[in-house]
Amino acid sequence: GAVVSQHPSWVICKSGTSVKIECRSLDFQATTMFWYRQFPKQSLMLMATSNEGSKATYEQGVEKDKFLINHASLTLSTLTVTSAHPEDSSFYICSASPSGQANYGYTFGSGTRLTVV
Amino acid sequence: KQEVTQIPAALSVPEGENLVLNCSFTDSAIYNLQWFRQDPGKGLTSLLLIQSSQREQTSGRLNASLDKSSGRSTLYIAASQPGDSATYLCAVGPGGGNKLTFGTGTQLKVEL
Repeated sequence: GAVVSQHPSWVICKSGTSVKIECRSLDFQATTMFWYRQFPKQSLMLMATSNEGSKATYEQGVEKDKFLINHASLTLSTLTVTSAHPEDSSFYICSASPSGQANYGYTFGSGTRLTVV
Repeated sequence: KQEVTQIPAALSVPEGENLVLNCSFTDSAIYNLQWFRQDPGKGLTSLLLIQSSQREQTSGRLNASLDKSSGRSTLYIAASQPGDSATYLCAVGPGGGNKLTFGTGTQLKVEL
C-alpha cells in the first residue's frame, strides 16, 4: 500500500515554456503533499507544502509565481514550472503520507528529471 | 531549527561486510524517523520507519535503532551485497503530517 505515482519521469523543454508535473496517491488520500528539488549529489531540498483545497506553503527563497502548486483533490497535486529556464533544470520529487495517519511515514514518487534547453 | 547529519558521507566496503550508517539530529522532539534508499536518478524507497516510542525496527538484513534522548539513529546492514549500493538518507518527522527534515546522506558502494 501507500503508492505515490509521479509523471512524467523525465521531460525536456525549451526555455520560456511551462512544464507540469503530477503527483498522485494511488491507494490513499493525502491532505498534504510535499514537493522537493534535488541537485546532483545533494540531499533533497523542500520547496513547498501542498495543501488540499488551499494555498501551498512555500519555503523561504522559493518563488511561488514560478513554481505553481495546485492540490485540487485528495489524491492529486501538480507542480507547474512556469517560464522555465536552464537553471530550473533539476530532479523534482513529491511525497505524501496518508491523511490522519501520522505514524505511517512518507512515500515518495519516482521523481521527474527536468531539462530546460 | 532541526538539523540532521549523516556520517560517513561516503563508504566503500567489500561484499559480505556488516556495516553501520549513522544519523544524528539536534532536536529530540521528533515523532518518528525514517530511513530511505535512493538509487541514482530515482526517487526514494522507504526502508524502515521508527516511531519515537520505539527503539528499533528490523526488515530482512536491515536493522535501524533509535536513541531519541541522544539524538541518534543507526542503520545496520548485515552481509552487504553489491545491490545495496545506493545513497541512504535518514529523515526525522515532527508528526502531524508536517515536513520531514533530511540528513545529508551516505553514499554506499559495495564492491565484489
